[in-house]
Amino acid sequence: KNQVEQSPQSLIILEGKNCTLQCNYTVSPFSNLRWYKQDTGRGPVSLTIMTFSENTKSNGRYTATLDADTKQSSLHITASQLSDSASYICVVSPYSGTYKYIFGTGTRLKVLA
Amino acid sequence: NAGVTQTPKFRVLKTGQSMTLLCAQDMNHEYMYWYRQDPGMGLRLIHYSVGEGTTAKGEVPDGYNVSRLKKQNFLLGLESAAPSQTSVYFCASRTGQGTANTGELFFGEGSRLTVL
Repeated sequence: KNQVEQSPQSLIILEGKNCTLQCNYTVSPFSNLRWYKQDTGRGPVSLTIMTFSENTKSNGRYTATLDADTKQSSLHITASQLSDSASYICVVSPYSGTYKYIFGTGTRLKVLA
Repeated sequence: NAGVTQTPKFRVLKTGQSMTLLCAQDMNHEYMYWYRQDPGMGLRLIHYSVGEGTTAKGEVPDGYNVSRLKKQNFLLGLESAAPSQTSVYFCASRTGQGTANTGELFFGEGSRLTVL
């Protein structure tokens, strides 16, 4: 069964600290993996998209890595800010089908001053 | 830019009532999707459309109907609301160009529905 699992479920860090969020997937075949940020009460917003041939992608203080062999991805946030408080969702797409996106349950991050 | 707009943002229904959620996008996207988001679960696909006049079922379509009469609009209908349909509903759209699944998904702000 195609699944996307994220860890931890929730995380609290102090402003200025770094953190890493994990995503493990069992989706096969595999086309691409995305990370989204979802602020409370808002829709998800794309952070990064990586195809199977890419192993890292950056967007400002956000850096995503992908290991297609172990089916793992991580999202590293550098020098966290209060505005980083949100849920971060990992989304994996199989190769076939134009509609298929498999969503993880997300990691809820809280950044404290 | 408006992007993807959902209306209404909040709605309370009684069991058995009907309603329609409207999704409008101004990016000339071919693909549009309706998802529901429930606590502890990832977004789940209800219905989707790959172009004007076409619709297809997703993974949780029961109790919902959709229509895509115009390219920019995708309507989600609940014919007889049930408490199990209490959820936050998200519409998304993407361009149809490029290889399958690599287009960026743009989401609306969500519609929070409560069925009593």
